[in-house]
Amino acid sequence: EVQLVESGGGLVQPGGSLRLSCAASGFTFTSYWMHWVRQAPGKGLVWVSRINSDGSSTNYADSVKGRFTISRDNAKNTLYLQMNSLRVEDTAVYYCAKADIAAAGYPLDYWGQGTLVTVSS
Amino acid sequence: QSVLTQPPSASGTPGQRVTISCSGSSSNIGSNYVYWYQQLPGTAPKLLIYKNDQRPSGVPDRFSGSKSGTSASLAISGLRFEDEADYYCAAWDDSLSGVVFGGGTKLTVL
Repeated sequence: EVQLVESGGGLVQPGGSLRLSCAASGFTFTSYWMHWVRQAPGKGLVWVSRINSDGSSTNYADSVKGRFTISRDNAKNTLYLQMNSLRVEDTAVYYCAKADIAAAGYPLDYWGQGTLVTVSS
Repeated sequence: QSVLTQPPSASGTPGQRVTISCSGSSSNIGSNYVYWYQQLPGTAPKLLIYKNDQRPSGVPDRFSGSKSGTSASLAISGLRFEDEADYYCAAWDDSLSGVVFGGGTKLTVL
């Protein structure tokens, strides 16, 4: 059974930093691209970032480019999102999600339960 | 402003058939598969349709997807109260090299 478990969310002041983790199990983590998607309170889903299977290629939404860094540790089956220079508008539930196919260019099949990040003074 | 365009709301009565549209462009829907997700209140999104018209195991055949050109649609037949949820379309975008979503459609079962 595929499981994705996020952690690391919480309350942080504007300008602060936070690192999210996503522990993966139930599938061959090293084969799949992984993504972060966020959802602000009462709003829709917004793609944040993706990383390829070996970690050599990443991409980001314009809204987080230069502030967020996605990475993965394939030895630990874990995905990360380092968030720096946080803004109030980054407040959201952050989901990690697995790409449907073990290849480039596919949306998501399994999602974690999400972790809430609140940026407020 | 979402890259894919969905109607913000849809409604129907039990037993009816409703459709939700999703419009994109040549860099996303026009050249890649469309996926649909169902999000019940307070829960994570769940995959409903993949590769335009395929249902994961466990998803009832009341749910169906289709795609034509740069648009796609989700149809729900035999509407039930438990179908009341938010529905999102998504596709890979070649220009972005990432996933794009629709703004979501809130389905109300009257």
